[in-house]
Amino acid sequence: DAGITQSPRHKVTETGTPVTLRCHQTENHRYMYWYRQDPGHGLRLIHYSYGVKDTDKGEVSDGYSVSRSKTEDFLLTLESATSSQTSVYFCAISGPRTARSEQYFGPGTRLTVT
Amino acid sequence: AQTVTQSQPEMSVQEAETVTLSCTYDTSESDYYLFWYKQPPSRQMILVIRQEAYKQQNATENRFSVNFQKAAKSFSLKISDSQLGDAAMYFCAYRSRDNYGQNFVFGPGTRLSVLP
Repeated sequence: DAGITQSPRHKVTETGTPVTLRCHQTENHRYMYWYRQDPGHGLRLIHYSYGVKDTDKGEVSDGYSVSRSKTEDFLLTLESATSSQTSVYFCAISGPRTARSEQYFGPGTRLTVT
Repeated sequence: AQTVTQSQPEMSVQEAETVTLSCTYDTSESDYYLFWYKQPPSRQMILVIRQEAYKQQNATENRFSVNFQKAAKSFSLKISDSQLGDAAMYFCAYRSRDNYGQNFVFGPGTRLSVLP
């Protein structure tokens, strides 16, 4: 299994509070991604990173920001959480050395905004 | 933009039988990858099988095989000799060959139940 961890694994927070989710990899892969998973939508890309301090928006980036200060860590921040951001969040990694071109996923974080 | 459609929200199969999950996609590109991922109740996303669009031969991985029809933009997954452990959500995914960024698109998923 690829070395990807996410923290926290579960979080309940109140509307309007800031939340930061962390993704940590030990694979030294260049590319990292944040997705959210909602019923009927599969996984939708929020933001991705193609290197340290290099990030870009995905399909559903509104209300989210990211940062990547070192190769192994990719942070997702909800500046002011809303109930519509209740979801399961997945981090994924890939890279040129990923021979099969797929993405490897972390275990997910279940976030509930009340 | 590319889109991926899975028209079967739920399916069921008897243990030891064969089941086929459907996936269609829309793209104007000629070179890309297609994937099937499995998500069991543990929530972990597990790669099941991968197909490169330039390869005509259908990919196989043990009991899992695909029927890749490039002209029809169809990519179905066949599971043979179904086992209880195959019960999961299955996601079809598309990725452009040269873009490691945002062009990794998932379908909405098919929930597969395996009946003993």
